[in-house]
Amino acid sequence: EPEVTQTPSHQVTQMGQEVILRCVPISNHLYFYWYRQILGQKVEFLVSFYNNEISEKSEIFDDQFSVERPDGSNFTLKIRSTKLEDSAMYFCASRDSILRGMNTEAFFGQGTRLTVV
Amino acid sequence: GQQVMQIPQYQHVQEGEDFTTYCNSSTTLSNIQWYKQRPGGHPVFLIQLVKSGEVKKQKRLTFQFGEAKKNSSLHITATQTTDVGTYFCAGNGPDKLIFGTGTRLQVFP
Repeated sequence: EPEVTQTPSHQVTQMGQEVILRCVPISNHLYFYWYRQILGQKVEFLVSFYNNEISEKSEIFDDQFSVERPDGSNFTLKIRSTKLEDSAMYFCASRDSILRGMNTEAFFGQGTRLTVV
Repeated sequence: GQQVMQIPQYQHVQEGEDFTTYCNSSTTLSNIQWYKQRPGGHPVFLIQLVKSGEVKKQKRLTFQFGEAKKNSSLHITATQTTDVGTYFCAGNGPDKLIFGTGTRLQVFP
């Protein structure tokens, strides 16, 4: 079964450092997303990406965050200057519908656990 | 902004007992999805409901979408230890899913 893959599985970084979280969405999918989940809490939307541009972003996704699809397969989330409160599990997700709106199944990766110290 | 709440936050049941989680959205939804997240895992899609009043079943799981399309429920009959995890409903925005607050289910053998 096709799957979304994320690397690394765990990243520890010092406060103020830049981190890049990597995702390889399912190959024929068109929509890509980043979500985060602080331990034991709900899954929070960060950003959606379609047709090589951000289609929607949440208030969490401030100037410290950016996303990129540098080639045909990778989808990355960069946090420019990490803060302690950025510590969370970050999930990448993708879906294949050509229809706008989240009306098809989203496939999630296993996540990257980011720990900011 | 749109908010999606779930109750209860936690539920502990004895194996064989039933379980229900309720989902309420602050806005009308065009559709709703349900996901299960096992401890230490990632959200996995269970089902999508689209029509007002729709009811769908998957073995011991029954999903319902409210008539006003602002609420939904998931009912598990005769829980098993494999049902352990957090169940999230998720309402769609223009280009995102808004996850509910989740209900964590613990099943004791």
